[in-house]
Amino acid sequence: SYVLTQPPSVSVAPGETAIITCGGNNIGAKSVHWYQQKPGQAPMLVIYYDTDRPSGIPERFSASNFGNTATLTISRVEAGDEADYYCQVWDSSSDQPVFGGGTELTVL
Amino acid sequence: QVQLEESGPGLVKPSETLSLTCTVSGDSINTYYWSWIRQSPRKGLEWIAYVNNSGTTKYNPSLKSRVTISVDTSKNHFSLKLSSVTAADTAVYYCARGFNWNPDVFDIWGQGTMVTVSS
Repeated sequence: SYVLTQPPSVSVAPGETAIITCGGNNIGAKSVHWYQQKPGQAPMLVIYYDTDRPSGIPERFSASNFGNTATLTISRVEAGDEADYYCQVWDSSSDQPVFGGGTELTVL
Repeated sequence: QVQLEESGPGLVKPSETLSLTCTVSGDSINTYYWSWIRQSPRKGLEWIAYVNNSGTTKYNPSLKSRVTISVDTSKNHFSLKLSSVTAADTAVYYCARGFNWNPDVFDIWGQGTMVTVSS
């Protein structure tokens, strides 16, 4: 099935910009969704269909998707953004949703 | 607001059947797609299956032979059965709603329920 590759961890200082990547073969041709998961909680949708934000998600969260890499960008990072982030697509070949392995964001 | 709550045994014996229910409140189950997703340290987030109000189902091919998902519109809940469980099925099980009447992205999740497979 389709494989999504994320870096295991990303670290950033408060106020800086965090960039989390999600690699996949021609992922730009798919719709990518991003989830935030804090310890002990369920995942929460933060970006859907490549670039859209659900209501209540700050504008600091943005994303792009092109070629073989989708990117989640968190601007002006806050301590409360510390979490695991997962990308997800629908794999048409296996006809099912597929998740990346997750990236742990640490706010220094 | 819409809330999902998983319920079921937290401990299941090997070779037995895991049964979970997700109760939907704040919205009718008669719309949307509803999924089960599990999470374990070994396999990360893994989608299991979805169902909609008309009973249309789809399963993860790797689990299809052991999984049944169903919906009970009268009780506003949907259920998961996973047979012949092994230790590899130990995970946190989440139920989730498909966003905007699509099954491919999940906008509302339950809090999750931990299921351990052990004798």
